[in-house]
Amino acid sequence: ELKVEQNPLFLSMQEGKNYTIYCNYSTTSDRLYWYRQDPGKSLESLFVLLSNGAVKQEGRLMASLDTKARLSTLHITAAVHDLSATYFCAGHTGTASKLTFGTGTRLQVTL
Amino acid sequence: GAVVSQHPSRVICKSGTSVKIECRSLDFQATTMFWYRQFPKKSLMLMATSNEGSKATYEQGVEKDKFLINHASLTLSTLTVTSAHPEDSSFYICSASTGAYGYTFGSGTRLTVV
Repeated sequence: ELKVEQNPLFLSMQEGKNYTIYCNYSTTSDRLYWYRQDPGKSLESLFVLLSNGAVKQEGRLMASLDTKARLSTLHITAAVHDLSATYFCAGHTGTASKLTFGTGTRLQVTL
Repeated sequence: GAVVSQHPSRVICKSGTSVKIECRSLDFQATTMFWYRQFPKKSLMLMATSNEGSKATYEQGVEKDKFLINHASLTLSTLTVTSAHPEDSSFYICSASTGAYGYTFGSGTRLTVV
């Protein structure tokens, strides 16, 4: 059974700083997803990573995947307040075609 | 892009009553939909996988008789919380696969049982 863990669970960072959120998963996952959730809202898709070494970037966010280490990272560059949200990674198990979500990282960007 | 419309967005019901939540795929056919539950400041927990024209597959620990799922057409899946109690209060989110790699999520339903 796929298990997905994220760290840190909570991250308070100053505007302009860089930081990385880590997502570890327990067994083989053929895809890795990153989502953003604002308070009281549903999920917004950020990235889907399909293969080892995949890197995707959108604005100040960059996601990468290392399938050998079973690790994905979400790197935040020069954080701005608008990035404050909860970020989830999710692994995909092909046979069941379902997503298993990580614990979530609540990001708070302060001035 | 693919859109999943979820209604209602908020519902307050009395303990012992039933509540139905609908999810519709607006511009695509969703043979499979997923229903999640999310407690405050927690992650999403998959409750069940809904397949058009067949019985839903429930995750371990989810009561089938309490959370009734119907997927009668390629564009509509419903979740009915039967005999709701305060502990069923939660945020419920549906999702559908939109192609080879994509999933799109409904806007969520905040259920409060009083």
